[in-house]
Amino acid sequence: GENVEQHPSTLSVQEGDSAVIKCTYSDSASNYFPWYKQELGKRPQLIIDIRSNVGEKKDQRIAVTLNKTAKHFSLHITETQPEDSAVYFCAASPTGFQKLVFGTGTRLLVSP
Amino acid sequence: DTGVSQNPRHKITKRGQNVTFRCDPISEHNRLYWYRQTLGQGPEFLTYFQNEAQLEKSRLLSDRFSAERPKGSFSTLEIQRTEQGDSAMYLCASSSLFKAGRNTGELFFGEGSRLTVL
Repeated sequence: GENVEQHPSTLSVQEGDSAVIKCTYSDSASNYFPWYKQELGKRPQLIIDIRSNVGEKKDQRIAVTLNKTAKHFSLHITETQPEDSAVYFCAASPTGFQKLVFGTGTRLLVSP
Repeated sequence: DTGVSQNPRHKITKRGQNVTFRCDPISEHNRLYWYRQTLGQGPEFLTYFQNEAQLEKSRLLSDRFSAERPKGSFSTLEIQRTEQGDSAMYLCASSSLFKAGRNTGELFFGEGSRLTVL
């Protein structure tokens, strides 16, 4: 089955800096890669996703890149703000948009 | 549309007791998922339904866990003979296989039901 590894587990940056979170997956059949943000005590919410036929996707300050050959994908946040502080989870899904397999999460702390 | 609703939000029980959680998904969503999350970890897949059919159950899931979605709407997750290791946040999520004519994989999570087994 699919296995997703995520690094780093914690990331501290200064406001305005960029943050990068990396994930690798094991199942070459996976073709959907979302990122979820979970604020303390809240539910996970989708912030961006990418499908395997695309190499990069941007949404304002957030971007995701996918390298299918190497089986890794990354989340990039530019011009970080304190409200970006949260736990971020990557995930992978096999063909057919079945279950999501999540990484272990990255706690991002953005200091003013 | 009020989103995915779960209850109870918190449950404290003694070891050996049975507990049941309920999830009401977004009304037009045909897929429903149960995940378990412990502190510092990502959501761990338990099972999922498409309409009333349970399509997959995690091989790591004990036989003490059972889930139902009898009419393809709400779902229940029952844990029998609870153990301290069952303490976790149980998250329900729903999704729509098709939205605006295209596949969508987005999961909409509920607030979760936190279980504490003493």
